[in-house]
Amino acid sequence: DQQVKQNSPSLSVQEGRISILNCDYTNSMFDYFLWYKKYPAEGPTFLISISSIKDKNEDGRFTVFLNKSAKHLSLHIVPSQPGDSAVYFCAASVNSGNTPLVFGKGTRLSVIA
Amino acid sequence: DAGVIQSPRHEVTEMGQEVTLRCKPISGHNSLFWYRQTMMRGLELLIYFNNNVPIDDSGMPEDRFSAKMPNASFSTLKIQPSEPRDSAVYFCASSLFTGPQETQYFGPGTRLLVL
Repeated sequence: DQQVKQNSPSLSVQEGRISILNCDYTNSMFDYFLWYKKYPAEGPTFLISISSIKDKNEDGRFTVFLNKSAKHLSLHIVPSQPGDSAVYFCAASVNSGNTPLVFGKGTRLSVIA
Repeated sequence: DAGVIQSPRHEVTEMGQEVTLRCKPISGHNSLFWYRQTMMRGLELLIYFNNNVPIDDSGMPEDRFSAKMPNASFSTLKIQPSEPRDSAVYFCASSLFTGPQETQYFGPGTRLLVL
């Protein structure tokens, strides 16, 4: 049973437009959420995170929104750039870290110039 | 900082052979995680260590898999005997837990192909 779900395997967006990647979770004990970006032949790299006490966290072009009641989070990238083309993984953990991350299966984002 | 180092980057072996994957975590980190990525199952946790002690190995698929962390700067994941279904990318990650949240940093992965 998948506790973290990314229902869109892929997404294509025009350069300069907004990319919205979605993630749903089922475990109400999750209190820390992260997004990782992965390029081919590389390991996932940390992008942005959010604690369950917040509903929004922003870092430059990247913003993560958390809706606890819906058990849903999303990553917004604006404006999207060709270099953003990668696989994006949503991850969650319990007890705010020091426990394993549970990952979604990823969404492949393609930003078209 | 060097980041998490994994070796080898690629491994091709024949069914039945022993495979050893190696990981050097980021200096000063106190948690280490082994993950496996496959098309079918995505990224799944195999085992993790806190302060060199194995905490949860429930993700290890079967007894053919074993992991050790003899010191804070080195860990191994061993598969013996290997099978074709073990073919995957294996990632090591490390973190420093200082509370309340910490981030895991991943190595580049080892791509394993068992023929």
